Amino acid sequence: GAVVSQHPSWVICKSGTSVKIECRSLDFQATTMFWYRQFPKQSLMLMATSNEGSKATYEQGVEKDKFLINHASLTLSTLTVTSAHPEDSSFYICSALQGTPNQPQHFGDGTRLSIL
Amino acid sequence: AQTVTQSQPEMSVQEAETVTLSCTYDTSENNYYLFWYKQPPSRQMILVIRQEAYKQQNATENRFSVNFQKAAKSFSLKISDSQLGDTAMYFCAFMKHGAAGNKLTFGGGTRVLVKP
Repeated sequence: GAVVSQHPSWVICKSGTSVKIECRSLDFQATTMFWYRQFPKQSLMLMATSNEGSKATYEQGVEKDKFLINHASLTLSTLTVTSAHPEDSSFYICSALQGTPNQPQHFGDGTRLSIL
Repeated sequence: AQTVTQSQPEMSVQEAETVTLSCTYDTSENNYYLFWYKQPPSRQMILVIRQEAYKQQNATENRFSVNFQKAAKSFSLKISDSQLGDTAMYFCAFMKHGAAGNKLTFGGGTRVLVKP
């Protein structure tokens, strides 16, 4: 149980385009999902907290207009990287919170984004 | 704000031997949770073990155990009888109790290489 699916797993696109990444909780409802960014050989950096039916809460330094987050249902959150540039290339990971607070987060497999 | 420090960037261990990873954290909270996550080359984040700060007993999960020293704010992970499949990045993480939407603060990670 507690499976989180992330799609796509790898995407390459041209500079200036927008890219959407999906995060789905397959067998549970997730009122809260999280989006992380991970540079090579570094730790995970929290970008934003996504709550179903409300606006996402962004961490300091993360551009809201650059990284659009939508959490329209209890099983789906999306991250859209708008007008992507090479410096946006990174590994993006989502996680979902199952049940009540104080429970562990369940992570997706991540999306490798490469902007040419 | 909480900080999590992993002082060992990389460690190697012979198969079947034991390795201990260190983690220290800084917080003014009294109730919180600590986690160790494993990230193998596939890059999926896998929960290894979890410790509630109010529990004095150290958590164990098969070959994985922790040494939780609350006063010292230390949370080390011991991997016993190391297996080749244990090769991965290991991240220590902190979460406040009940608030802030279950946000995780990660350490910088320790790369573990298990040698045959």
